[in-house]
Amino acid sequence: QSVLTQPPSVSAAPGQKVTISCSGSSSNIGNNYVSWYQQLPGTAPKLLIYENYKRPSGIPDRFSGSKSGTSATLGITGLQTGDEADYFCATWDSSLSGVVFGGGTELTVL
Amino acid sequence: QVQLVESGGDVVQPGRSLRLSCAASGFIFSGFGMHWFRQAPGKGLEWVTVISNDGSNAYYADSVKGRFTISRDNSQNTLSLEMNSLRTEDTAIYYCAKDLTTLTLAFDLWGQGTLVTVSS
Repeated sequence: QSVLTQPPSVSAAPGQKVTISCSGSSSNIGNNYVSWYQQLPGTAPKLLIYENYKRPSGIPDRFSGSKSGTSATLGITGLQTGDEADYFCATWDSSLSGVVFGGGTELTVL
Repeated sequence: QVQLVESGGDVVQPGRSLRLSCAASGFIFSGFGMHWFRQAPGKGLEWVTVISNDGSNAYYADSVKGRFTISRDNSQNTLSLEMNSLRTEDTAIYYCAKDLTTLTLAFDLWGQGTLVTVSS
């Protein structure tokens, strides 16, 4: 059971938009920055978003992040088949003194 | 070339020990906190441990506290994970990763992973 809650799967058609939610509590998302990772099949995770909404260099602006209270959201617009992957949210948990992840969301681009 | 390369994964029996290594190159290793993560087959990501850039502080997940020890050698640009009293539930791909900055808890560089299988 993950500390952060994500939907197990989402799907949308190519070119459309999808959002992935990440729900936590005051000890984690509520008082710490959230980051998001994309994991393509058989590969290591890749940083997409840090500090709730910032994108590392090289990440297209089709990927966006936001946070409100104890929840965070990853948005992906202009979906491509290459976006099919697992997406994970992460943050620091002040009560656990450790990094916590969501269980991951599998994105299918139909 | 900026990269992290893990090694040391193996098949071991429950109760035995194993040491993983992560070789860093292409960046100032001593300037960044470093983490170990793991991913059991078909499961999500789990954080294991972190060590500060100078090695003075470390934190561990409850699931490995007292059994695993993280260390680093900044002169050799190497991160290590000593794993003792291994359990079947420790079976996973283990990744090392670096912090984006000293002030930002986000992991911008990951290794390719090394597989640890704990089985009798």
